[in-house]
Amino acid sequence: NAGVTQTPKFRILKIGQSMTLQCTQDMNHNYMYWYRQDPGMGLKLIYYSVGAGITDKGEVPNGYNVSRSTTEDFPLRLELAAPSQTSVYFCASSYSNSPGELFFGEGSRLTVL
Amino acid sequence: AQSVTQLGSHVSVSEGALVLLRCNYSSSVPPYLFWYVQYPNQGLQLLLKYTTGATLVKGINGFEAEFKKSETSFHLTKPSAHMSDAAEYFCAVSDSGTSYGKLTFGQGTILTVHP
Repeated sequence: NAGVTQTPKFRILKIGQSMTLQCTQDMNHNYMYWYRQDPGMGLKLIYYSVGAGITDKGEVPNGYNVSRSTTEDFPLRLELAAPSQTSVYFCASSYSNSPGELFFGEGSRLTVL
Repeated sequence: AQSVTQLGSHVSVSEGALVLLRCNYSSSVPPYLFWYVQYPNQGLQLLLKYTTGATLVKGINGFEAEFKKSETSFHLTKPSAHMSDAAEYFCAVSDSGTSYGKLTFGQGTILTVHP
């Protein structure tokens, strides 16, 4: 049972480049989330999904897009990378009957130069 | 809108001493409250949660927290610190309505344990 798996773990981008952070979970969770973590700021919600085909914005969605074509996968797309997107990104999932009990991946550290 | 304030970005204790990490929240509806722990270079793990019922909740690794509605607080305690408790701790809140488990996190408290 792998839980929540994120790839890549590290990536350096140039300003203006695009990339996709991959996230997959094998726990059959309906709910999935993308958070970013910046030092001293806690975690901020970027996007979330309550099931395949359903996504919605969180607190800081600008510059990002998501899709949810299957229950397992929830990729996060960065378009036109900017230095402000330098951060650690965490994907998480939860059961719909245990909201707030999140299972986190190990994170993806992104640097935009 | 909900918010969470963790008092003290860094807390240092000696091994065997009491651990007290403070968390205050604001919420316009009855809250669900959580404490998560993050070890270096890892994702967050759930320590404990409060949803309804008993206001003193026990979690993993000997931690517990008490929901005090009148003080809008959910402080995390452990009677005796262990070296392995060194980590960053996050308090989080969601509302008890249809929030789909979206959490608002505090800024985190780094716990250092000295021998």
